[in-house]
Amino acid sequence: EPEVTQTPSHQVTQMGQEVILRCVPISNHLYFYWYRQILGQKVEFLVSFYNNEISEKSEIFDDQFSVERPDGSNFTLKIRSTKLEDSAMYFCASSPTAMGSPLHFGNGTRLTVT
Amino acid sequence: DAKTTQPTSMDCAEGRAANLPCNHSTISGNEYVYWYRQIHSQGPQYIIHGLKNNETNEMASLIITEDRKSSTLILPHATLRDTAVYYCIVRGSGEKKSSGDKLTFGTGTRLAVRP
Repeated sequence: EPEVTQTPSHQVTQMGQEVILRCVPISNHLYFYWYRQILGQKVEFLVSFYNNEISEKSEIFDDQFSVERPDGSNFTLKIRSTKLEDSAMYFCASSPTAMGSPLHFGNGTRLTVT
Repeated sequence: DAKTTQPTSMDCAEGRAANLPCNHSTISGNEYVYWYRQIHSQGPQYIIHGLKNNETNEMASLIITEDRKSSTLILPHATLRDTAVYYCIVRGSGEKKSSGDKLTFGTGTRLAVRP
């Protein structure tokens, strides 16, 4: 069964550094998402992406964050200058349509900012 | 999106059915009920979803009341591997950009399956 893959599984970075989290969505999917989960807290929506543009973003997704689909397969989340509070699990998800079809999630990248 | 209410925790015996309730009294006509689960810190796993009718797949059954104000996820024969946090989520149809097509996770129900 096709799945969403994320790399790396664990990333350690120093405060102030830039990180890029990578995702390969399921191949025929058109809608892409990033979520994050701080340890012990809820899974929080960050951003959705369709047709090469952001369709919705949360308050968390400020100017430090950006997303890109650089080619036909990858979907990336960039954090320009990481803060300690960015430490979390980051999950990528994709779905084939917006209406009535489920999101499929990857197993996440654990980001640790020191 | 409509808010959902779930019990904080439940348990059931291995091999028995697990029935997880969810209230969504403010659901609107074009909103779907989705169920996901999260095992430890893995990514949320899709289980099932429905609009009005009851649904069944290889993982579970979803029973939605006629007024659509509540639903129950049924795991027919729970195993130890079903121990997880289960999320009931009401999601818009995505017809309007303002209603969004995202999933909004709550705190879910922590299900413990005991041997």
